[in-house]
Amino acid sequence: QLSESGPGLVRPSETLSLTCTVSDGSVSSYYWSWIRQPAGKGLEWIGRLYRSGYTKYNPSLDYNPSLKSRVSMSVDVSKNQFFLNLNSVTGADTAMYYCARGRLDGDGYFYHDYWGQGVLVTVSS
Amino acid sequence: QSVLTQPPSVSGPPGQRLTISCSGSSSNIGSHTLNWYQQLPGTAPKLLIYSNNQRPSGVPDRFSGSKSGTSASLAISGLQSEDEAVYYCASWDDTRNGQWVFGGGTTLTVL
Repeated sequence: QLSESGPGLVRPSETLSLTCTVSDGSVSSYYWSWIRQPAGKGLEWIGRLYRSGYTKYNPSLDYNPSLKSRVSMSVDVSKNQFFLNLNSVTGADTAMYYCARGRLDGDGYFYHDYWGQGVLVTVSS
Repeated sequence: QSVLTQPPSVSGPPGQRLTISCSGSSSNIGSHTLNWYQQLPGTAPKLLIYSNNQRPSGVPDRFSGSKSGTSASLAISGLQSEDEAVYYCASWDDTRNGQWVFGGGTTLTVL
């Protein structure tokens, strides 16, 4: 089960920070993505993080090229949480933000299998 | 504009069979598997089909997926009112160092 949390209102030019808490399992050995959806519009992938079970390795990160300059993601294995920071936000960043678990199928192809319920973030002064 | 192309809407009466198409390119559907998500009104998306044609446990066998080349389809047979939702296709894309891409979504209306 995935649960997103964070401020529902962020001022323009500031940083949007969200947390996804993973229950019923560990954040290790799965991919974890953030995906957003403006009201009445489609889905946009923000990025993904992979944390192996080998703690000496840094997490692997992939970001949406259109957001890469403003996005950072991280993970806290001890708390079973992963995080999103999106800086220099504008009204265009107003959306429902979802966290989702990603995995590889038997042939090594990636997909998302579980999603959180989402958290609505509004960017406004 | 979405990387994967879906029709904006489809509709049909209860009991009918209909399909939703998803068109891409060699860098996404042509090289990776295609997945389908169902988003019921006011809820988070839910995995419906993964790896082109695999159903997660709990998804009725009325839903089926297929892929050919750079296109894919979701078929829904025995249409029911509870199938009214937005359906998204999604895949990995190899351009620009790789990214996960979605179709624009198809709204299914049961008449």
